Amino acid sequence: NAGVTQTPKFQVLKTGQSMTLQCAQDMNHNSMYWYRQDPGMGLRLIYYSASEGTTDKGEVPNGYNVSRLNKREFSLRLESAAPSQTSVYFCASRDRNTGELFFGEGSRLTVL
Amino acid sequence: GQSLEQPSEVTAVEGAIVQINCTYQTSGFYGLSWYQQHDGGAPTFLSYNALDGLEETGRFSSFLSRSDSYGYLLLQELQMKDSASYFCAVRGGTGGFKTIFGAGTRLFVKA
Repeated sequence: NAGVTQTPKFQVLKTGQSMTLQCAQDMNHNSMYWYRQDPGMGLRLIYYSASEGTTDKGEVPNGYNVSRLNKREFSLRLESAAPSQTSVYFCASRDRNTGELFFGEGSRLTVL
Repeated sequence: GQSLEQPSEVTAVEGAIVQINCTYQTSGFYGLSWYQQHDGGAPTFLSYNALDGLEETGRFSSFLSRSDSYGYLLLQELQMKDSASYFCAVRGGTGGFKTIFGAGTRLFVKA
């Protein structure tokens, strides 16, 4: 059981570079989410996708774009990375019956 | 919008009971969840309350009062491995798809 898979697990970028974080789930969930977590803090919602073909802004969407490629995949793109985007990024999908969020292992991004 | 408040830290001894409170504000409430996160790991689901009352799962229980916009997580028979961060999270917004987390409560369990 793979669950939620995120790639890459680690990435170092220079200011101004772009990159895409990939996320895929194999649980046939409709809803998917991207969060960021800074040291000692909670998870802040960046974007979410209630279902295939829809995306909505969360609490901290500025500087990010998302694509819900299909039901399985939900990617997060940083067009021009800034040091303030140094964080751990978590992708999650939600079981509509239980409300439970299943998280990937996280992607640790450092922007120099 | 949505927001949550929970204590930043709680310390308890092994074998004791600890309660972590959470108050929330949201438009369109669908439910309150609790997650555990160990250092360096991903959050894992503990419980979910959509209706008022107490939900029990082994050593963990969660309570919800929708009229008070309040919930708590109760951990019994504390073990050292329970040392972790605990987050409450509220489902809200249109259709209940938007899930927002609190800042987390760091639990330290002492021998």
